[in-house]
Amino acid sequence: AQTVTQSQPEMSVQEAETVTLSCTYDTSENNYYLFWYKQPPSRQMILVIRQEAYKQQNATENRFSVNFQKAAKSFSLKISDSQLGDTAMYFCAANAGGTSYGKLTFGQGTILTVHP
Amino acid sequence: DAMVIQNPRYQVTQFGKPVTLSCSQTLNHNVMYWYQQKSSQAPKLLFHYYDKDFNNEADTPDNFQSRRPNTSFCFLDIRSPGLGDAAMYLCATSRASGSYNEQFFGPGTRLTVL
Repeated sequence: AQTVTQSQPEMSVQEAETVTLSCTYDTSENNYYLFWYKQPPSRQMILVIRQEAYKQQNATENRFSVNFQKAAKSFSLKISDSQLGDTAMYFCAANAGGTSYGKLTFGQGTILTVHP
Repeated sequence: DAMVIQNPRYQVTQFGKPVTLSCSQTLNHNVMYWYQQKSSQAPKLLFHYYDKDFNNEADTPDNFQSRRPNTSFCFLDIRSPGLGDAAMYLCATSRASGSYNEQFFGPGTRLTVL
């Protein structure tokens, strides 16, 4: 069984500044994948960034990067140069690998508001 | 563009009146998922299909059923909606193989139960 915990229900940041969203997880799997999904208000959920657990290098996607600490089971998301369009609910999710398809376990979500 | 489409985007039904939500995909993915998402909460997986194989979550009420007549389409049937079933219903797809198992989500159908 997997659990994913996001301890920050809400966060806010000024436009152009940097914000970090926290996520911790627990899994008994050796091979798993971690994701951050973004769900803007009234819009569909989209993938922001993903990390394979066996890769030590932190994933980056433009302004988005993660700090993956495997031993601590921590997977935080850093958003640099925040933009108004980053306002959304962000979900951290884990997917146990080793099977041909994987079910996502979501955290509770963090509502991020970017202020002008 | 390849995508996941959900119809309708908004559905209003009456207490106890059966309702069907639909999902279609042009991604040719093997796996299709149905989630229930209540306001400001995480999506809750109801069930998923791996090709034609149906996989129900243990805590999904019997009131919820699903059909997948072909690769492209999947339906969520709520046999007797209760007030507690009002929620956003999300459809998602993923490849069966591939290292990332990323899920692609549709825009959701918001269900209101009167």
